[in-house]
Amino acid sequence: AQSVTQLGSHVSVSEGALVLLRCNYSSSVPPYLFWYVQYPNQGLQLLLKYTSAATLVKGINGFEAEFKKSETSFHLTKPSAHMSDAAEYFCAVSDGSGYALNFGKGTSLLVTP
Amino acid sequence: GAGVSQSPSNKVTEKGKDVELRCDPISGHTALYWYRQSLGQGLEFLIYFQGNSAPDKSGLPSDRFSAERTGGSVSTLTIQRTQQEDSAVYLCASSLWTSKGNEQFFGPGTRLTVL
Repeated sequence: AQSVTQLGSHVSVSEGALVLLRCNYSSSVPPYLFWYVQYPNQGLQLLLKYTSAATLVKGINGFEAEFKKSETSFHLTKPSAHMSDAAEYFCAVSDGSGYALNFGKGTSLLVTP
Repeated sequence: GAGVSQSPSNKVTEKGKDVELRCDPISGHTALYWYRQSLGQGLEFLIYFQGNSAPDKSGLPSDRFSAERTGGSVSTLTIQRTQQEDSAVYLCASSLWTSKGNEQFFGPGTRLTVL
């Protein structure tokens, strides 16, 4: 079975600072990995996904993530945080068969002025 | 184009009542998923439909939960004899069938409150 662990349920950064949200996965097969963002009272929106092509994946809104097999990690980064980045971020994994996603518990990102 | 839509956006019901939640997927998407988002449990998979195949119901928490998908499009999630622990946001998602990892597009959810 595939699973992900998100380290840190809450992360606070200053506006303009680096954003780093951590995700580690467990999978017995090559995983497909996703980062979704959820703004208050909205559904989830895909930020980026890894599907075994390039290990550095660029997504929307300036976010990117690097797949590191040796560390079983897929951390999400953004060089400079904006106030509008404040939201809940979810890492998810699937085995690529079109099946359901297994989500992490989520990380709430707070951006302070 | 239109995204995934869900109705109602909010539902308040009394314990023991039945509720129906509706999901309209993106046109042409063959796969449809239901998830539940609740405090303390995070996002949990409930059920998955793919084309005309039998649905995967492995995530349904009890036999009070059921879902159907008519004509390969609209889906209804039914909860019978609701309990307070059923209070959550129910999210629907749809996707194209792909072999490279399917991007799921989520609706805004239905917030269910059981009094």
